[in-house]
Amino acid sequence: DGGITQSPKYLFRKEGQNVTLSCEQNLNHDAMYWYRQDPGQGLRLIYYSQIVNDFQKGDIAEGYSVSREKKESFPLTVTSAQKNPTAFYLCASARTANYGYTFGSGTRLTVV
Amino acid sequence: RKEVEQDPGPFNVPEGATVAFNCTYSNSASQSFFWYRQDCRKEPKLLMSVYSSGNEDGRFTAQLNRASQYISLLIRDSKLSDSATYLCVVRFNFGNEKLTFGTGTRLTIIP
Repeated sequence: DGGITQSPKYLFRKEGQNVTLSCEQNLNHDAMYWYRQDPGQGLRLIYYSQIVNDFQKGDIAEGYSVSREKKESFPLTVTSAQKNPTAFYLCASARTANYGYTFGSGTRLTVV
Repeated sequence: RKEVEQDPGPFNVPEGATVAFNCTYSNSASQSFFWYRQDCRKEPKLLMSVYSSGNEDGRFTAQLNRASQYISLLIRDSKLSDSATYLCVVRFNFGNEKLTFGTGTRLTIIP
């Protein structure tokens, strides 16, 4: 079955560490996105990519980095420069935004 | 003004009742509109797209009013399983592959 997979489901990070969140899709979608959701708040766009080897900053890109070397994969690195990284991270993909996004099941990151 | 604005609720509604949510958007050039449903601690899932002529999917009806820049979602004969947060989502422009999400309206159906 086609879908979008995020891993791990839960991640614990010590302060000062970089961590990488995985996002893989087999839907043959060109566009991929990373969002962050804080408790009781809406989704905020971190980065997005419309094509391989190209990506753009979203509204809250500081402290994050991404790569898009393959169509299927769009990993997100949360760097030590991100001051408040504890959140629910959602990856999404789309053939085109006209059809809406398909989301992965998310990664909950906690800084300990 | 927020780009996409929703009443956060919560809406507490008895089972079997009809409930309606509105959402307003700021950009008159907006092109695509959606309602997503998000269960607690889960990812959002597409509930339905919203078309200019309005559209229905079972107990759910979505309407678009371009002149007033709002979309609505009506749920009839509400079920306990309808309890969730409903997100209003807008795509602003052609060529812009980003969707903008409202903060959501929380609905609880009471037995």
